[in-house]
Amino acid sequence: DAGVTQSPTHLIKTRGQQVTLRCSPKSGHDTVSWYQQALGQGPQFIFQYYEEEERQRGNFPDRFSGHQFPNYSSELNVNALLLGDSALYLCASRYGRMNNEQFFGPGTRLTVL
Amino acid sequence: DAKTTQPPSMDCAEGRAANLPCNHSTISGNEYVYWYRQIHSQGPQYIIHGLKNNETNEMASLIITEDRKSSTLILPHATLRDTAVYYCIVRLLSNAGNTPLVFGKGTRLSVIA
Repeated sequence: DAGVTQSPTHLIKTRGQQVTLRCSPKSGHDTVSWYQQALGQGPQFIFQYYEEEERQRGNFPDRFSGHQFPNYSSELNVNALLLGDSALYLCASRYGRMNNEQFFGPGTRLTVL
Repeated sequence: DAKTTQPPSMDCAEGRAANLPCNHSTISGNEYVYWYRQIHSQGPQYIIHGLKNNETNEMASLIITEDRKSSTLILPHATLRDTAVYYCIVRLLSNAGNTPLVFGKGTRLSVIA
């Protein structure tokens, strides 16, 4: 049983570009959350998707958007990249929106030059 | 912002118990205490959670004080593989959908041979 998978593992972009990160949840999971982790900091919540809709959102600008597909996989899109967007982007999945353990993927390391 | 306070770093000798403290003096009655850890270059991993009773699983024990203003995560026999950043998180769980995980900077535990 595969856990949460994310692609790509590493990515280098330049300022102003756009990026799409992908996440496949753990088998049987239908809720996906995205987190941003800057170097030396704890992960910060970006948003959560359930039933293909954004259900909760953290304090991130509209440049950060997402999508969830019918198979529960998800994408995180970031437009007009800034140097400060350089971080590890983590995807987490669980079953339902309620009180269940979240499983995290290994993350995508994004570097903006 | 995180509602918890943790020491930035701790050392523990291999084979000894690691006791990681966490202060959450503003916790409310329906908020749970969660612990996650993040081993270098991996996503966070769930360890344990509790409301007011002490909890134990195959990984660790969670001791919550009677007034619920602090807790301690105990790894009974630390190994080198337990070297990681440990996050203590206070989280509201409800039937309306649980709140996102709010990570602080955590405690960097170094297990020394």
